[in-house]
Amino acid sequence: EVQLVESGGGLVQPGGSLRLSCAASGFTFSNYWIHWVRQAPGKGPVWVSRINSDGSSTSYADSVKGRFTISRDNAKTTLWLQMNSLRAEDTAVYYCARGDARLPWSTFDIWGQGTMVTVSS
Amino acid sequence: QSALTQPPSASGSPGQSVTISCTGTSSDIAGYNYVSWYQHHPGKAPKLMIYEVTKRPSGVPDRFSGSKSGNTASLTVSGLQAEDEADYYCSSYAGYNVVFGGGTKLTVL
Repeated sequence: EVQLVESGGGLVQPGGSLRLSCAASGFTFSNYWIHWVRQAPGKGPVWVSRINSDGSSTSYADSVKGRFTISRDNAKTTLWLQMNSLRAEDTAVYYCARGDARLPWSTFDIWGQGTMVTVSS
Repeated sequence: QSALTQPPSASGSPGQSVTISCTGTSSDIAGYNYVSWYQHHPGKAPKLMIYEVTKRPSGVPDRFSGSKSGNTASLTVSGLQAEDEADYYCSSYAGYNVVFGGGTKLTVL
């Protein structure tokens, strides 16, 4: 079964750090771009970051640039999001999502169930 | 405030059709044919329903269809079924990133 499973969310104080993981299975992980998308409570999703298939290219939303780092290990079929200097507005469910093989920059064909990140004192 | 505008709610009776709109700008929906629609049952993984404005992934019923006119995209669900009750989100490529709508809660009466 094609699957993405996020983990690592939790409660963290403002200014703190957290590292999210996304474990992939059921497909050739190294062939696909992977994205992080977050959704604050009661709001629509927001694209956060993406990494290309071999990890050589990354991109970030302006709101997280310089604070978040996306990385991957294709041998371990795992993606990470290192989140530093966290703010209250980073509170959200974080999803990893696979970029479609033909349209990796625009279409997310597989999503995980998400992991909740709460930034609060 | 989401980049794309959707109505917060929509509803219809079983068997009826309902259309959900998604309004953007020339920088996203009007500028690219990369509009997608996602179905999300709370607590589950979102599911891709429509991509490239009108295309359906394998396994998505043909009751779901998409269209676009100018800066507004639409998702139509025909022959409503109970399991269609969910949140629906539109998205569009915007040249550097992907932007989403705020979501529409579809209720099957």
